[in-house]
Amino acid sequence: QKEVEQDPGPLSVPEGAIVSLNCTYSNSAFQYFMWYRQYSRKGPELLMYTYSSGNKEDGRFTAQVDKSSKYISLFIRDSQPSDSATYLCAMDTGRRALTFGSGTRLQVQP
Amino acid sequence: DVKVTQSSRYLVKRTGEKVFLECVQDMDHENMFWYRQDPGLGLRLIYFSYDVKMKEKGDIPEGYSVSREKKERFSLILESASTNQTSMYLCASSLNMNVGQPQHFGDGTRLSIL
Repeated sequence: QKEVEQDPGPLSVPEGAIVSLNCTYSNSAFQYFMWYRQYSRKGPELLMYTYSSGNKEDGRFTAQVDKSSKYISLFIRDSQPSDSATYLCAMDTGRRALTFGSGTRLQVQP
Repeated sequence: DVKVTQSSRYLVKRTGEKVFLECVQDMDHENMFWYRQDPGLGLRLIYFSYDVKMKEKGDIPEGYSVSREKKERFSLILESASTNQTSMYLCASSLNMNVGQPQHFGDGTRLSIL
């Protein structure tokens, strides 16, 4: 079983929809949680960074962590075609490296 | 903004060749990382370095080595390239050894081994 599970998609939504992207994990030692966005033929770019349980909001993006359920989410409000990308969750292992989910491909249809 | 630069976007090499992938970061970061990214498998850590001349094996180090002679530069070496090393290679850096540091990525090198 992978340490971090993420549905690969693709997830296709109409422009303006609310998008929910999720990851589950098995290692209860994870403390830091990140979301990266990766456009085609580009490297991942850091989108959101959270520590511990709770919500964090940045513009149209909200990251949510539920450590009791070992579940994290990224919500995108008023989705735009420019949000079409692969979204990767990542978690800190405590050994200076990150463990990544395999990514969810999102397509926002105009 | 942090900038991580990988020397080649696309590279084609032959089986058995020694291949060098170069990565440079401009933010004086202590940690640097090499990953490979394959469909369905996500990012897998090959090696990382937390200081000049220091390195640690990641999850899939077999067939690879690394070099970090200067703080800003981290090289990945394929000693004798094989077709199963065809992949997207991503370099990343982070500020220091503190837990929870986000990593910043380059745009990747798409390597094909024929």
